[in-house]
Amino acid sequence: EVQVVESGGGLVQPGRSLRLSCTTSGFTFGDFAMNWVRQAPGKGLEWVGFIRGKTYGGTTEYAASVKGRFTISRDDSKSIAYLQINSLKTEDTALYYCTARWNYIDHWGQGTLVTVSS
Amino acid sequence: DIVMTQSPLSLPVTPGEPASISCRSSQSLLHRNGYNYLDWYVQKPGQSPQLLIYLASNRASGVPDRFSGSGSGTNFTMKISRVEAEDVGVYYCMQAAQTRTFGQGTKVEIK
Repeated sequence: EVQVVESGGGLVQPGRSLRLSCTTSGFTFGDFAMNWVRQAPGKGLEWVGFIRGKTYGGTTEYAASVKGRFTISRDDSKSIAYLQINSLKTEDTALYYCTARWNYIDHWGQGTLVTVSS
Repeated sequence: DIVMTQSPLSLPVTPGEPASISCRSSQSLLHRNGYNYLDWYVQKPGQSPQLLIYLASNRASGVPDRFSGSGSGTNFTMKISRVEAEDVGVYYCMQAAQTRTFGQGTKVEIK
């Protein structure tokens, strides 16, 4: 059974940092690109970034809106992806989804909520 | 960045009737390999998004054949041949030609 489980969200003050984790099982993690997508309350989906699988160099891409503050990494030995968010802003408040994508196979988690507020 | 524009943003539908959503991109999504890098997702109420259509016209695994995708370049359409009550949700197009960008979403609801 495929599982994608995000964790690490919570209430955090502006300017602080946070690391989200995406723990997976049930598929060949190393083959998949790992994406992060967020959804602000009552809003649409916003792609944040992804990290390619090792076959494609394990390189990263980011949305312009988060470039420089967000960092995606992966640990293939543990089948976990991470999203490091620095200098948090109130507008980063959202449900953060982790998704695993390989060609036409696409697995999503249930999301972890990040609330940025003083 | 490629901008994705969907229309309409709200789509009241009658069960059994067809429905259609348009998605336009600010740049061509047609790769030199002949594929259009355009996906469609649906987010049903209270659920995570799920892939419906990939590469513009291919149904994802388990997706009913009443869903279809078409288009090329900058203009794409997702159609539901006969809407069912379970199809309510927000539908998003997403380009994968240059990084990724979602459209604003189209809320499909039953009349």
